[in-house]
Amino acid sequence: NAGVTQTPKFQVLKTGQSMTLQCAQDMNHEYMSWYRQDPGMGLRLIHYSVGAGITDQGEVPNGYNVSRSTTEDFPLRLLSAAPSQTSVYFCASGKQGSGQPQHFGDGTRLSIL
Amino acid sequence: EDQVTQSPEALRLQEGESSSLNCSYTVSGLRGLFWYRQDPGKGPEFLFTLYSAGEEKEKERLKATLTKKESFLHITAPKPEDSATYLCAVQGATNAGKSTFGDGTTLTVKP
Repeated sequence: NAGVTQTPKFQVLKTGQSMTLQCAQDMNHEYMSWYRQDPGMGLRLIHYSVGAGITDQGEVPNGYNVSRSTTEDFPLRLLSAAPSQTSVYFCASGKQGSGQPQHFGDGTRLSIL
Repeated sequence: EDQVTQSPEALRLQEGESSSLNCSYTVSGLRGLFWYRQDPGKGPEFLFTLYSAGEEKEKERLKATLTKKESFLHITAPKPEDSATYLCAVQGATNAGKSTFGDGTTLTVKP
């Protein structure tokens, strides 16, 4: 049981490049989400999904796209990378419904030059 | 809008010196308050969920308590391995299961 797996662990991009951060979970969780974490700050929600085919925006969605074609996978796409998107990105999953905790991957450290 | 404020930002303790971390929150209809531990270079690890005022949860040297406005994470006789950043998060009734996180308290325990 791997839990939440994120790839890659590290990535360096040039401004304007696009890329996809991968996230997969093997716990059959309906709820999945993407956060970014900047130094000294908490987690800010980018996008989330309550099930396959259903996604919605979080607090800081601009510059990012998501899709959810299966229960297991929830990729995050950077459309045209900007230096302001340099951050650590965490994917999380949890059971559907209020009051459920989330289980996090170990993050992707992304630098935009 | 849900809000979470954690204090202090950083806390340095000697091994064995007990203390508490604070999480103040405002939320419309609390559905759950969560504590997570985050080690450097890792994702947050779930510790506790509290659902209603007066509730307490314990795990080893950690005890989490909840009132209508704040939660405390009490650390009794801490050890160096308790050093980490502790994050608090809330879920409210109107936010479709989304969690709002505080900025965290970084705890350092010196031997």
